[in-house]
Amino acid sequence: SQTIHQWPATLVQPVGSPLSLECTVEGTSNPNLYWYRQAAGRGLQLLFYSIGIGQISSEVPQNLSASRPQDRQFILSSKKLLLSDSGFYLCAWSRGGVQETQYFGPGTRLLVL
Amino acid sequence: QQQVKQSPQSLIVQKGGISIINCAYENTAFDYFPWYQQFPGKGPALLIAIRPDVSEKKEGRFTISFNKSAKQFSLHIMDSQPGDSATYFCAASIGGTSYGKLTFGQGTILTVHP
Repeated sequence: SQTIHQWPATLVQPVGSPLSLECTVEGTSNPNLYWYRQAAGRGLQLLFYSIGIGQISSEVPQNLSASRPQDRQFILSSKKLLLSDSGFYLCAWSRGGVQETQYFGPGTRLLVL
Repeated sequence: QQQVKQSPQSLIVQKGGISIINCAYENTAFDYFPWYQQFPGKGPALLIAIRPDVSEKKEGRFTISFNKSAKQFSLHIMDSQPGDSATYFCAASIGGTSYGKLTFGQGTILTVHP
C-alpha cells in the first residue's frame, strides 16, 4: 500500500529565515506530486505540482519554491520567510499520468513570527 | 472559470439528520468531481467522487448528486453522526494534460450535534 509522509509536523520560524519542508511517498513509482497551502483551516490553494524528477510547475507566484530531487521526494523551500507564509502545508500524490485521485499527507503547520 | 463555489460555509445538523453541501462550477471542461473530508489538524481524505456520465453515486451514507446542465453537484450525508463533524471540500479537475490538478471549493464546516 502507498504511504505519504511529511515532516516536520509543526514548525515555528522567524521572519526572514529559510524553510525546507519535505514530503516522501512510499509504495508507488513515478507519482504526480503536489504542494498545497491551506490558510485558516479553509480552502486549499495549489502551489506547485510535479510530474517527474526535476519537473516543477508553479501555480501561484510567491516567496516559495519546490524541488523534486528523487522520484518520490518533493521539497518546498523558501530563502526568506514572510509572515504571510504561515499556514498548513499539504503534500499530495496521485498515480502518474492523468490520474486525478489525489491522496494527501498529514500536513505541516508553519507559523512565521 | 476555474472556480468552484461551495455552500454553505458552515452547517449544523442534529444526529440522524441529513447534511447537504452544494457546489457549483463554471468550467464545462471539468470531468472529475471528488469530495474530501478533513478533520482538524489532518490532511484531507478522499470521501467519494463522481464523473459527469452519471447523475448519482452512493457509498454507504454518502451520496453525490450531479446535475451537468446546471453545473452543480452536491454531497448528501444520510443519518449524520457526530463522527461526521469535519470540514468537507468539493473539488473538480480536468482530465488529460492537467495532470490531476484539483480546484477546491472553500469548504463547509459540518457540526453534527448528538
